[in-house]
Amino acid sequence: NAGVTQTPKFRVLKTGQSMTLLCAQDMNHEYMYWYRQDPGMGLRLIHYSVGEGTTAKGEVPDGYNVSRLKKQNFLLGLESAAPSQTSVYFCASSQDQGAHEQYFGPGTRLTVT
Amino acid sequence: AQSVTQLGSHVSVSEGALVLLRCNYSSSVPPYLFWYVQYPNQGLQLLLKYTSAATLVKGINGFEAEFKKSETSFHLTKPSAHMSDAAEYFCAVSDLGTGGFKTIFGAGTRLFVKA
Repeated sequence: NAGVTQTPKFRVLKTGQSMTLLCAQDMNHEYMYWYRQDPGMGLRLIHYSVGEGTTAKGEVPDGYNVSRLKKQNFLLGLESAAPSQTSVYFCASSQDQGAHEQYFGPGTRLTVT
Repeated sequence: AQSVTQLGSHVSVSEGALVLLRCNYSSSVPPYLFWYVQYPNQGLQLLLKYTSAATLVKGINGFEAEFKKSETSFHLTKPSAHMSDAAEYFCAVSDLGTGGFKTIFGAGTRLFVKA
């Protein structure tokens, strides 16, 4: 099992450009999450999904959109990148919530200039 | 409101010394508690979790944590630090709110291990 994979690993964007980050999991998990990690701030939830075809806003959703057309994939889109979106982005998945652990991908380092 | 506080953004110990990473939480209901570890340039991975069974939880790599309800704490310990323990550690709390379960991560504590 590959677990959770993320594409790409690194990306540099200019302000105003758009891009899509892809997350894939092979564990048949229902729940998927997108986080951003910034120094001293831990992980902040951007959007999440409780199943195929569903998405919901997290703590910091502004400037991002997501889609979950297939159970194994969760896409994060930036329509018009801003320097404030420079961060490391992590995707995670879990079988359920509450007591269930989240499994994380290796991250995508995004720089917006 | 749910929150997680990790005391100390950086902790430095000598190899062989006790590791103590502190985590306090606030929650209106009994929570589930987690410790995750992040090695450089990797994603987070689970060290251990508390799910209302035994209050002393043992995890991987010799780490353990004790849930103390009266102190609202879930501190992480390891009797003897190893160089390979150098990483960032995150405490997380998950509890049931009006919109379902919500998981909050602490800001993280970076552990340095000196030879």
